[in-house]
Amino acid sequence: DGGITQSPKYLFRKEGQNVTLSCEQNLNHDAMYWYRQDPGQGLRLIYYSQIVNDFQKGDIAEGYSVSREKKESFPLTVTSAQKNPTAFYLCASSRTILDGYTFGSGTRLTVV
Amino acid sequence: EDQVTQSPEALRLQEGESSSLNCSYTVSGLRGLFWYRQDPGKGPEFLFTLYSAGEEKEKERLKATLTKKESFLHITAPKPEDSATYLCAVQVGNSGGSNYKLTFGKGTLLTVNP
Repeated sequence: DGGITQSPKYLFRKEGQNVTLSCEQNLNHDAMYWYRQDPGQGLRLIYYSQIVNDFQKGDIAEGYSVSREKKESFPLTVTSAQKNPTAFYLCASSRTILDGYTFGSGTRLTVV
Repeated sequence: EDQVTQSPEALRLQEGESSSLNCSYTVSGLRGLFWYRQDPGKGPEFLFTLYSAGEEKEKERLKATLTKKESFLHITAPKPEDSATYLCAVQVGNSGGSNYKLTFGKGTLLTVNP
């Protein structure tokens, strides 16, 4: 079955460490996205990519980095520069940037 | 600045008690409005896309409608399994532009008691 796989489901990080969240899709979608979800807030866009080897900053890109070397993969690195990294991270994809999104099951990151 | 406001923040219903959730928006260049359902600890699940005022879409006990300023998600005779957070999102973009991102509301937490 086609879908989006995020791993790991839970991730713990020490302060000052970088950590990479995985997102893989087998839907043959061109566009991919990373959102952050905090309690009481809507989903906020971190980065998005319309096509391989291209990506743009979203509303809250500071402290994050991404790459899009393959159509299927869009990993997100949370760097030590991100002041409040503890959150639920959601990856999504769409056939094109004009279409509705399919979401992964999320990664819950906790800084300890 | 584009804004999406969902109300109420939380809604508690008895099984079979119909109601509506609201999503109001202030955006320029609306291209589409999306409804998602999210269960605790999981990613949002797509429900509907609406593109123009007057449009309606239905799926089982859910019906989504759209006006020029808001959208409603009507839930008819809900069951406990309809309990979830319902998210509304708007897609904005300019003709010839590439910034067709989704802006989400904070969601409505629906609880349906048996």
